[in-house]
Amino acid sequence: KNQVEQSPQSLIILEGKNCTLQCNYTVSPFSNLRWYKQDTGRGPVSLTIMTFSENTKSNGRYTATLDADTKQSSLHITASQLSDSASYICVVSARVGNNDMRFGAGTRLTVKP
Amino acid sequence: NAGVTQTPKFQVLKTGQSMTLQCAQDMNHEYMSWYRQDPGMGLRLIHYSVGAGITDQGEVPNGYNVSRSTTEDFPLRLLSAAPSQTSVYFCASSYRLGGTEAFFGQGTRLTVV
Repeated sequence: KNQVEQSPQSLIILEGKNCTLQCNYTVSPFSNLRWYKQDTGRGPVSLTIMTFSENTKSNGRYTATLDADTKQSSLHITASQLSDSASYICVVSARVGNNDMRFGAGTRLTVKP
Repeated sequence: NAGVTQTPKFQVLKTGQSMTLQCAQDMNHEYMSWYRQDPGMGLRLIHYSVGAGITDQGEVPNGYNVSRSTTEDFPLRLLSAAPSQTSVYFCASSYRLGGTEAFFGQGTRLTVV
């Protein structure tokens, strides 16, 4: 079973609308959680990082939240743009060993005009 | 500012052929890694290196070899390609372990027929 589960698998919204992507994890002990954006045909690019003590972090129209008690994170996108169409990947890092990143399968977001 | 450079971007191999995927980074990062990305799954770690001359296996190492003779380069070798190795391969580098931001290359789409 994957230690990082994302939902929904895919999402279609109209330009200008808001959306929220979910990430649940079981990785332990927790170090940090990142959201990456992956455009089609490109490598993932980091959007935000959340550590244990942080509840909310914003990067422009992207706002990530973290509830370390329930092991849940969300990525909220405000006033979506066509360029937001991409896959969004939740990555949770553990504080053990060298193989410390666990990747979710991603949410494929499509923003339509 | 090149970051992480992967070549080639696309490749088609016949079953049994061998090839090397190239990866180079110009950020003086110690940690480099190779992932494969398959539909519906999170990125899975193939091999990684914590510095020149040091490599180790990840989650799915079978059928792949790596070496790290310099800080900059981390090639991935497919010894005898199989259809199960059809995937998109990403090379990544980061300053250190512990959940620091990983910088990804643009990926190599490999098809084995």
